[in-house]
Amino acid sequence: DGGITQSPKYLFRKEGQNVTLSCEQNLNHDAMYWYRQDPGQGLRLIYYSQIVNDFQKGDIAEGYSVSREKKESFPLTVTSAQKNPTAFYLCASSIAGTGGTTEAFFGQGTRLTVV
Amino acid sequence: AQKITQTQPGMFVQEKEAVTLDCTYDTSDPSYGLFWYKQPSSGEMIFLIYQGSYDQQNATEGRYSLNFQKARKSANLVISASQLGDSAMYFCAMRGAIDEKLTFGTGTRLTIIP
Repeated sequence: DGGITQSPKYLFRKEGQNVTLSCEQNLNHDAMYWYRQDPGQGLRLIYYSQIVNDFQKGDIAEGYSVSREKKESFPLTVTSAQKNPTAFYLCASSIAGTGGTTEAFFGQGTRLTVV
Repeated sequence: AQKITQTQPGMFVQEKEAVTLDCTYDTSDPSYGLFWYKQPSSGEMIFLIYQGSYDQQNATEGRYSLNFQKARKSANLVISASQLGDSAMYFCAMRGAIDEKLTFGTGTRLTIIP
């Protein structure tokens, strides 16, 4: 089945450690996105990529890094520079270059907790 | 730059009644798409409905319809005959033809009362 997979579902990290969240899609989508969601809040864009080997910062990129070496994969690293990383992280993908007409598909999310 | 505004943090509606969730937007893109998503307590994001900026008719999908008023830059979601399973967070979002990043509003928490 086609879809977008995030792993792990739950992640615990000690302060000062980097951690990488996985996002894989087999929908053949060019565009991929990472969002952060805090309890009771909306989705804030961290990074997005519209093509392999290229990505742009979103509204809250500080303390995060990404790579896009393959079309199917868009991993997010939460670095020790991110001061408040505990949140729900959502990855999404969509067809690019359609003039904004196509919806994005989401993974199930990763809940990151700093302990 | 794109901006989505949802001014209703929470709403309570009696079961079987219709409900309107408000959404206004701002963009410099001449062409864009507007989307509504539902997020149940499980956290998954469920796509509900899409409206293109040049569509002449309001979009409908089953019990969901989008009241699109382009001059007012509003794209309100209407849910008819609400059900208990409609209780969730609802997000309005947009993508531009030029600025294709997907921007979300802050959401509305809808609670359906039996």
